[in-house]
Amino acid sequence: DTGVSQDPRHKITKRGQNVTFRCDPISEHNRLYWYRQTLGQGPEFLTYFQNEAQLEKSRLLSDRFSAERPKGSFSTLEIQRTEQGDSAMYLCASNRGAGVDGYTFGSGTRLTVV
Amino acid sequence: QQQVKQSPQSLIVQKGGISIINCAYENTAFDYFPWYQQFPGKGPALLIAIRPDVSEKKEGRFTISFNKSAKQFSLHIMDSQPGDSATYFCAASGTNAGKSTFGDGTTLTVKP
Repeated sequence: DTGVSQDPRHKITKRGQNVTFRCDPISEHNRLYWYRQTLGQGPEFLTYFQNEAQLEKSRLLSDRFSAERPKGSFSTLEIQRTEQGDSAMYLCASNRGAGVDGYTFGSGTRLTVV
Repeated sequence: QQQVKQSPQSLIVQKGGISIINCAYENTAFDYFPWYQQFPGKGPALLIAIRPDVSEKKEGRFTISFNKSAKQFSLHIMDSQPGDSATYFCAASGTNAGKSTFGDGTTLTVKP
């Protein structure tokens, strides 16, 4: 197993464009998480899935953000009508389930909105 | 209620010294407390974690001390090495909650 993979590693987009990121978790992990990290801050929770079900979405997340995990495997995070404030590192993580263990994070997707 | 406060923001230690990073939490429902290490351009990596049924956990040079009554926990890095230079995050979560709440990080620099 190669760990958690995220694609792309870097994305530069113009304000107002839509972007989509992909995450491939560790295959035997049934929980998948999306976090956002800005410079000098800790990761901030966005949403998480157990298998294909989206169990929680942050109240801070605007309607421009949507995530899916079809068939409980990979996940996509889409941001519509990007804004400069969306510039951040988007981290994906996975684990076996609640309270069992910590996260295995991917290397993240660095989004820059110009 | 959901905050995890981490200190110091940055730390400089001489090689061979002890690095100590502290975190405090408010939510008594938290029962899992991991520490993550992050290098530039990489995602955080799980370093060590503790549950509140023990007051200390040691793995190699890394030790977590946990004080349930004070709602505080700390990471101690013994014999700090230049390769330990990274950003460290504490986090907290509850058994029945999916998400974790992270501190804002401590940038550790170990001088040779």
